[in-house]
Amino acid sequence: QSVLTQPPSVSGAPGQRVTISCTGSSSNIGAGYDVHWYQQLPGTAPKLLIYANSNRPSGVPDRFSGSKSGTSASLAITGLQAEDEADYYCQSYDSSLSVVFGGGTKLTVL
Amino acid sequence: QLQLQESGPGLVKPSETLSLTCTVSGGSISSSFYYWGWIRQPPGKGLEWIGSIYYSGSTYYKPSLKSRVTISVDTSKNQFSLKVRSVTAADTAVYYCARRPRIEGNWFDPWGQGNLVTVSS
Repeated sequence: QSVLTQPPSVSGAPGQRVTISCTGSSSNIGAGYDVHWYQQLPGTAPKLLIYANSNRPSGVPDRFSGSKSGTSASLAITGLQAEDEADYYCQSYDSSLSVVFGGGTKLTVL
Repeated sequence: QLQLQESGPGLVKPSETLSLTCTVSGGSISSSFYYWGWIRQPPGKGLEWIGSIYYSGSTYYKPSLKSRVTISVDTSKNQFSLKVRSVTAADTAVYYCARRPRIEGNWFDPWGQGNLVTVSS
């Protein structure tokens, strides 16, 4: 059971907008710790997608955006493309002195 | 461009010690701006942070793994290493090494390509 909760799967048609939620608690996201997002394409290592809630590393398209509110965070992908089909993970820090990840969400592009 | 590469055995027997090394290229592991970490992913499952180390040798471990894990650094070789003692099948996973900013936040970037370790007799 992951400390951060994500939906197991989401799907959308090309061109559509999808969101992936990441729900934590008062000991992690709600305590003010930042949320980061990773994209893991099949058979590859995770890649940083969003850091510190809403910042995109160089090279990440602006179709990807992140937000945080209260004990939750969200990743939004607009203009969905076939190449976006991947697993997405949120990550934060917990007051138990541990880096924590969500269980991951599989995005299917219909 | 900074690159990380994991290396080590792909098969470890139950009750033995898993040992992996991460070699950093394109940058110095002795940078004061970063920590270096290990994360693992069991087949078909999610990511789990194991621990992190600073070039000085300061370490931070996931509490539930702390009793079995040791992370060390060799600045002369630009490498850091992971040891997991008394392994069981539950330790079967792809093990990744990654870099983490020391001050700005606790995200990981970049990551190594991963090293699959199977625990089996």
